[in-house]
Amino acid sequence: DADVTQTPRNRITKTGKRIMLECSQTKGHDRMYWYRQDPGLGLRLIYYSFDVKDINKGEISDGYSVSRQAQAKFSLSLESAIPNQTALYFCATSDTLTEETQYFGPGTRLLVL
Amino acid sequence: SQKIEQNSEALNIQEGKTATLTCNYTNYSPAYLQWYRQDPGRGPVFLLLIRENEKEKRKERLKVTFDTTLKQSLFHITASQPADSATYLCALEGSSNTGKLIFGQGTTLQVKP
Repeated sequence: DADVTQTPRNRITKTGKRIMLECSQTKGHDRMYWYRQDPGLGLRLIYYSFDVKDINKGEISDGYSVSRQAQAKFSLSLESAIPNQTALYFCATSDTLTEETQYFGPGTRLLVL
Repeated sequence: SQKIEQNSEALNIQEGKTATLTCNYTNYSPAYLQWYRQDPGRGPVFLLLIRENEKEKRKERLKVTFDTTLKQSLFHITASQPADSATYLCALEGSSNTGKLIFGQGTTLQVKP
C-alpha cells in the first residue's frame, strides 16, 4: 500500500462549490504539506503543518483552508471554488528528524468549471 | 527578489550520453538543495540531497554538484536511458530550519533510444 494517499484522484466541480481534498499517510511523519502545481509554475506551497496543533500558511493560501484531524490526516478545503484553482494538488509529508526529504502523494487533479 | 530557476526548455539527448540539468537561485542561502524526479501524472520522488558544505554527491548514475558562490546546482545523469525520461525538479529550503521547500519549475528530460 502507498505511504501517502490522496482522495479523490480526480474531481470536477463548479464555481462556488465547497470541496475537500483529503490526505492520509502511514509513514508516521509529523509534518504535512499541501502544494498545487500549474504548468510552467512548478510546485507552490499552500499550507503546511508541523504537528496536529500547528498550521501555517504557505505562499498561496488565499481561498484555501486546511484541517489536521490527526497526525496521519491533513485535509485541504476550497471554500468557494473558482476556475483559477484548477490545478494538480499534492500532499507531502516529512519527518522532523530527517526533515529535509519530502514524500509526495499521487496527486488530485481538480477541474473547476 | 528570490528566485529559483531551471531551464524551462526540454532537454533532448541520445541514450548513453550524459544529461546535465541546471538549477540557479538568487537571494537564498540554503543549507541544502534537493533534486526530485516527477513522471507525468505522479507525485515527485526524492533523488538526492546535497548540503552547503558538500561540493558533490553521487548515487549510482546520478551526480549532483552545489556551488554556493555561483548559487548553482548541476544534476548529471550518466549513461542515460530512455527510462530516465521525466521532469526533474530542484528544491531548496526557503527559510532556515523551517523544512519549507521552494521548488523550481522543473526541466523535462527526453532520452531517445
